[in-house]
Amino acid sequence: GENVEQHPSTLSVQEGDSAVIKCTYSDSASNYFPWYKQELGKRPQLIIDIRSNVGEKKDQRIAVTLNKTAKHFSLHITETQPEDSAVYFCAASSLRGAGGTSYGKLTFGQGTILTVHP
Amino acid sequence: DGGITQSPKYLFRKEGQNVTLSCEQNLNHDAMYWYRQDPGQGLRLIYYSQIVNDFQKGDIAEGYSVSREKKESFPLTVTSAQKNPTAFYLCASRNYATGTGSGANVLTFGAGSRLTVL
Repeated sequence: GENVEQHPSTLSVQEGDSAVIKCTYSDSASNYFPWYKQELGKRPQLIIDIRSNVGEKKDQRIAVTLNKTAKHFSLHITETQPEDSAVYFCAASSLRGAGGTSYGKLTFGQGTILTVHP
Repeated sequence: DGGITQSPKYLFRKEGQNVTLSCEQNLNHDAMYWYRQDPGQGLRLIYYSQIVNDFQKGDIAEGYSVSREKKESFPLTVTSAQKNPTAFYLCASRNYATGTGSGANVLTFGAGSRLTVL
């Protein structure tokens, strides 16, 4: 099955700095890579995702890059703010079509605790 | 609560007792999932169900059982066979969208249930 490794486990930055979180995956069939953010005491929520036919995707201050050859993908947060402090999870899944339907058992990384200091 | 309701929010159990965690969704999602969250270990999949009356084991199914008698409900029973049940449990659901278009694999999470074994 799929195995996702996420680093670092904790990351501390000053407000305004950039933060980078890296993940590697093992299953070459995986083609969908979402990132979830979990604020303290709240549920995880999707912040950005990327599919294997794209190398990079941006949404304001966050971006995700994918290197299929190396089987790794990264989350980049620029101009960090204190409200970016949270646990971030990467995940990998394969989206397959059979009769027009999607499958997808998401395998998550171990999580990164990001702390942004004012 | 985002369309997915988990109950109870906190639960205490004595060793040797079975407990059932409730998960109900009104999103008309086809697939439902149970994850266990432990510090430093990310989100680990316990069981998932893609259709009513069918479910599959995840990566850590031992000591757990589920049922999917209704589309909107996916209860999880933590049995006495689970050796280390103290954890935070998250239920999620996903729309069984056609193809691989945007939103086809986005998980919506419940607020979670924290189980403590005394």
